[in-house]
Amino acid sequence: QSVLTQPPSVSAAPGQKVTISCSGSSSNIGNNYVSWYQQLPGTAPKLLIYENNKRPSGIPDRFSGSKSGTSATLGITGLQTGDEADYYCGTWDSSLSALFGGGTKLTVL
Amino acid sequence: QVQLQESGPGLVKPSGTLSLTCAVSGGSISSSNWWSWVRQPPGKGLEWIGEIYHSGSTNYNPSLKSRVTISVDKSKNQFSLKLSSVTAADTAVYYCASPCSGWYGDYYYYYMDVWGKGTTVTVSS
Repeated sequence: QSVLTQPPSVSAAPGQKVTISCSGSSSNIGNNYVSWYQQLPGTAPKLLIYENNKRPSGIPDRFSGSKSGTSATLGITGLQTGDEADYYCGTWDSSLSALFGGGTKLTVL
Repeated sequence: QVQLQESGPGLVKPSGTLSLTCAVSGGSISSSNWWSWVRQPPGKGLEWIGEIYHSGSTNYNPSLKSRVTISVDKSKNQFSLKLSSVTAADTAVYYCASPCSGWYGDYYYYYMDVWGKGTTVTVSS
């Protein structure tokens, strides 16, 4: 059971928009920045979003992030079949440890 | 860009010690970075194991702290993970990663921008 709560799965049709939520507490998300990772099948996670809403070089602007209070959201617009993957949120916790959400499997119907 | 490569035995016996090494290339392990380990059991999510600074300072996941040791070898530009008293629950893909961390305004940022490809470790007799 992860401290950061994500929905197990989300789905949407190609071209549509989807959001993935990540819920935490004041000891983690509430007082720290949030990051998001994409993990394609059989590969290592890849950084998608850092510091709540910043995109590393090479990440398309179809991916966006936001944070409000103790929750964060990843948004993906213009869905493509290549976006099918597991998505994880991450942050730091006051226990001096890093946390990841349980992961959300995105299906592009 | 720094690159990371994990190595170590793919099979460890129950009650034994899991030992992995992460080789750092394209940069110095003595740069202003922490170096971390993350694992992923089959079909499950990511779990942060811990991290080490080049000076030797460490932070560990409280749930694993009693069994984990992370060390750094500057002469070989690598860092290592040891996990003792392993059970089948420690079977996972183990990743080494390079986190970016620090304070920006009132908040702390922590994210992994470089990952190794991962190595599978199975605990079985």
